[in-house]
Amino acid sequence: GAGVSQTPSNKVTEKGKYVELRCDPISGHTALYWYRQSLGQGPEFLIYFQGTGAADDSGLPNDRFFAVRPEGSVSTLKIQRTERGDSAVYLCASSLRLAGVDTQYFGPGTRLTVL
Amino acid sequence: GENVEQHPSTLSVQEGDSAVIKCTYSDSASNYFPWYKQELGKRPQLIIDIRSNVGEKKDQRIAVTLNKTAKHFSLHITETQPEDSAVYFCAAIGTSYGKLTFGQGTILTVHP
Repeated sequence: GAGVSQTPSNKVTEKGKYVELRCDPISGHTALYWYRQSLGQGPEFLIYFQGTGAADDSGLPNDRFFAVRPEGSVSTLKIQRTERGDSAVYLCASSLRLAGVDTQYFGPGTRLTVL
Repeated sequence: GENVEQHPSTLSVQEGDSAVIKCTYSDSASNYFPWYKQELGKRPQLIIDIRSNVGEKKDQRIAVTLNKTAKHFSLHITETQPEDSAVYFCAAIGTSYGKLTFGQGTILTVHP
């Protein structure tokens, strides 16, 4: 079946602008995760959702970052007043359930460039 | 919180040789340890994982070992092939069930 998809694949914006990044999880997956990957580094956790609620948002770097998942499926990561340091690949992942721990399947990412 | 250290940062081997990548973790409550392979510009893909109730798991040329007492786990790739060349990341989940903490990555190059 279809894997995790993310749009757009690339986003170039100017410093100070607002951006939205979208994630479509695998159908039926109840848990959804956002990570950020800088060049040459491993992915860093941002937030995860179980259903519609954010179960852990401890990785969001500051209040410019916000994520929603209103219907328990698609999620949007929103970044206000973008800064050059926000440039990275934003990865989304999903998993079937969160009764214990299970495999996270990643999307292809959105490459964000802030000029 | 959890901290994962990964070594080496780069690894170069000849085709057919074995490759070993090692990771240590800090949270003794961690109970799930996946390994991901990431090719340039592509998504991380799970290649093998292990849970804390077993010490070793094998899948064809790939194996993972876990030492809970020492808090380290290792990836073993035998009979390496050029298509194994990629960046490999170890990860661990600690007390926050959804939060994967990744190592820094190992760039594996397999020379034909």
